Amino acid sequence: DTGVSQDPRHKITKRGQNVTFRCDPISEHNRLYWYRQTLGQGPEFLTYFQNEAQLEKSRLLSDRFSAERPKGSFSTLEIQRTEQGDSAMYLCASSRQFIGDGTSNEQFFGPGTRLTVL
Amino acid sequence: SQKIEQNSEALNIQEGKTATLTCNYTNYSPAYLQWYRQDPGRGPVFLLLIRENEKEKRKERLKVTFDTTLKQSLFHITASQPADSATYLCALDNTDKLIFGTGTRLQVFP
Repeated sequence: DTGVSQDPRHKITKRGQNVTFRCDPISEHNRLYWYRQTLGQGPEFLTYFQNEAQLEKSRLLSDRFSAERPKGSFSTLEIQRTEQGDSAMYLCASSRQFIGDGTSNEQFFGPGTRLTVL
Repeated sequence: SQKIEQNSEALNIQEGKTATLTCNYTNYSPAYLQWYRQDPGRGPVFLLLIRENEKEKRKERLKVTFDTTLKQSLFHITASQPADSATYLCALDNTDKLIFGTGTRLQVFP
């Protein structure tokens, strides 16, 4: 399977603990996105990378959240000092996208990591 | 602030009929608009992308329209089947991130 993969698929943690999620995008995709989705809502943008550069972070993303894509391939999303409000599905997506050429392409989503904070 | 509205209530239709889903937005001028399908517990799956200078796009039984004056997109599924039952998400796109609506749940019954 050459789609987007995420690990783990499910994570249960206690409030105050740190968690880290991994995303492996489609290999030839230069863009990688993180979204968060709660029940009954659409995915909410968190941040995205163009290769290894983090180009934008949502204003809703608190300083407890950090994302990296060190070699422009896989990415990690870390949440420090988790709170119950962090419980959600965390989705990763990738695409081929180039800055400034005025075109857009579909995003390919992974299966998500469901986080439950007790 | 930017706002995207999709019918929050589920749309129930009979097999064989055409399903029409609506996406309205305000305070935004997207260059593109995308539609995705999402099944429970899974990530969204891309269906169609339409550019701001395109009025209509078709793919098999799917049709999308994009009216930048009305700030509205309509998504049609013709000859609907029970397998089309899912949540459908519209997303505004300015070639960077996607801004999603809340989605409309479609239920097609035999």
